[in-house]
Amino acid sequence: KNEVEQSPQNLTAQEGEFITINCSYSVGISALHWLQQHPGGGIVSLFMLSSGKKKHGRLIATINIQEKHSSLHITASHPRDSAVYICAVQRADSNYQLIWGAGTKLIIKP
Amino acid sequence: GAGVSQTPSNKVTEKGKYVELRCDPISGHTALYWYRQSLGQGPEFLIYFQGTGAADDSGLPNDRFFAVRPEGSVSTLKIQRTERGDSAVYLCASAPLWGAEAFFGQGTRLTVV
Repeated sequence: KNEVEQSPQNLTAQEGEFITINCSYSVGISALHWLQQHPGGGIVSLFMLSSGKKKHGRLIATINIQEKHSSLHITASHPRDSAVYICAVQRADSNYQLIWGAGTKLIIKP
Repeated sequence: GAGVSQTPSNKVTEKGKYVELRCDPISGHTALYWYRQSLGQGPEFLIYFQGTGAADDSGLPNDRFFAVRPEGSVSTLKIQRTERGDSAVYLCASAPLWGAEAFFGQGTRLTVV
């Protein structure tokens, strides 16, 4: 079983829809990252969370440490949000190695 | 520059050749990471620098891979005797220190033919 599981693997939605991507992990962590990867390989760090909730524009990330679960939400989705969204956790017993989820491929249709 | 810069963005090389991949981190960031992402897979940790020293190079796949960061800023990932299996996107990230948010470069797409 992978230590970081993301769902769904693929998601197609219409412009304007509310999007939720989920991440569950099985190890003790000190932080969790949400990253965005566009075609061509570039990765952008969206959030780093260790508790609670963060919001940047239309993006919201939450984490529940007790349940070992995090969600990334996109409100009023737009075709430019189409990308792969990756969850990665920073192990509590290591201060530099990240364990990566497989990613969620999001397509927003106009 | 404002972000992490990696050069070249694309590199095609022949099997057996030597390549160098460069990462310019955000100014002042002491932590620097190299990752490798093969097609269809998530990024794989290679090496982590804290300042000039490699704090952990346990992710380097074999002794053909080597990385340096002589002045604690720019880092170079060096691959000797390249093999087709080395083809991947090599990602660099930097952070003010570990525990702070890491910023990723756009990656270098290496193709070994």
